Amino acid sequence: DIQMTQSPSSLSASVGDRVTITCRAGQNINTFLHWFQQKPGKAPKLLTSPASDFQSGVPSRFTVGGSGTHFTLTISSLQPEDFGSYYCLQNYSVPYTFGQGTKVDIE
Amino acid sequence: QVQLQESGPGLVKPSETLSLTCTVSGGSLTNYYWNWIRQSPGKGLEWIGYIHPSGSTNYSPSLKSRVSMSVDTSKNQVSLNLTSVTVADTAVYYCSRPWQYWGQGILVTVSS
Repeated sequence: DIQMTQSPSSLSASVGDRVTITCRAGQNINTFLHWFQQKPGKAPKLLTSPASDFQSGVPSRFTVGGSGTHFTLTISSLQPEDFGSYYCLQNYSVPYTFGQGTKVDIE
Repeated sequence: QVQLQESGPGLVKPSETLSLTCTVSGGSLTNYYWNWIRQSPGKGLEWIGYIHPSGSTNYSPSLKSRVSMSVDTSKNQVSLNLTSVTVADTAVYYCSRPWQYWGQGILVTVSS
């Protein structure tokens, strides 16, 4: 199995702050990496796929980067509606694996 | 507009079989791999497996001995069966057409 190590596990930041979440793969996964946002009680919402192709409606303050084993999701200016949990997912090989998640709180 | 809706019992007894259905509307089942994912209360996401309407399946090794999936194209439904459940299988179960479309999820509690 490809282990996905996501960090930090949680963060608290102020509106306007720049926030970066990192996902590291246990082996090279090329760019087969997706990012999701999940609000409490809701299904995950796809942000990007594969690693830099943003879904329609995702604000431009979200950017992603990386390939191989190191990936980042950056929110350039944190907004109140960005609270929630963020997950990465690799679908380079089965079993597909998620990062353990990053919970983002707004201070 | 593609929509997915999970359905099934919200309570299952230990050692019994969990059976869920994902009904797809606004689109066809064909040409897609339909995935099941679960999330234990307060925990992260776990991939269970996928099925293609051709019959091709792939299951998580940790669940492989207990999982089966099927497709009914006439009803536009995908099904998940998980046998010999324990309290550790208590979770919200999601179906997804990777990875843009998800059902709202269904909480299944394993308890006697």
